[in-house]
Amino acid sequence: GDSVTQMEGPVTLSEEAFLTINCTYTATGYPSLFWYVQYPGEGLQLLLKATKADDKGSNKGFEATYRKETTSFHLEKGSVQVSDSAVYFCALSDRGRDDKIIFGKGTRLHILP
Amino acid sequence: NAGVTQTPKFQVLKTGQSMTLQCAQDMNHEYMSWYRQDPGMGLRLIHYSVGAGITDQGEVPNGYNVSRSTTEDFPLRLLSAAPSQTSVYFCATGQESNQPQHFGDGTRLSIL
Repeated sequence: GDSVTQMEGPVTLSEEAFLTINCTYTATGYPSLFWYVQYPGEGLQLLLKATKADDKGSNKGFEATYRKETTSFHLEKGSVQVSDSAVYFCALSDRGRDDKIIFGKGTRLHILP
Repeated sequence: NAGVTQTPKFQVLKTGQSMTLQCAQDMNHEYMSWYRQDPGMGLRLIHYSVGAGITDQGEVPNGYNVSRSTTEDFPLRLLSAAPSQTSVYFCATGQESNQPQHFGDGTRLSIL
């Protein structure tokens, strides 16, 4: 079945460092891909999405490109801030299958000042 | 602008008790969904709805019921609570099916 695999955390970086959080997926249909962010004590927020191959989603300095050839959707940011400390979830919704959303297990990010 | 409101925020139940987790939205979104979040498991979809009068099962529906009589409300019912249902529960809405955009702040539920 469909699945999402994220790099295990926690990931600890210094402020202004470059961030990459890896996400790969398996899907039988034509998935849409998402990144969500969860700040401490809050619900998730949709960060960005891409609905077809080669699309790039971007928001708040974060980017991710839908790579069908490598089945990946890695999250990147050029210069992280302390306020980016959170848990990040990769997810897919596969319209060719049953269209139910599937989340990865999450990657905790710590940014040190 | 309330967005998605979940009540209660915290609840402790004894095994076998029943309760309803409330979810209300003021954005007129057709899509609503319930998830549970457990350590190391990410979020798992329990039930979802694509509009009033329509509900469907997600990945982990057993032990939970839902109904959608209005666009605004999507309650989640535990008929007979079990310790395995101890979790944090999130409700979410969206403009498109299976693309949750807005999440509530969660309900932390403990079953003793």
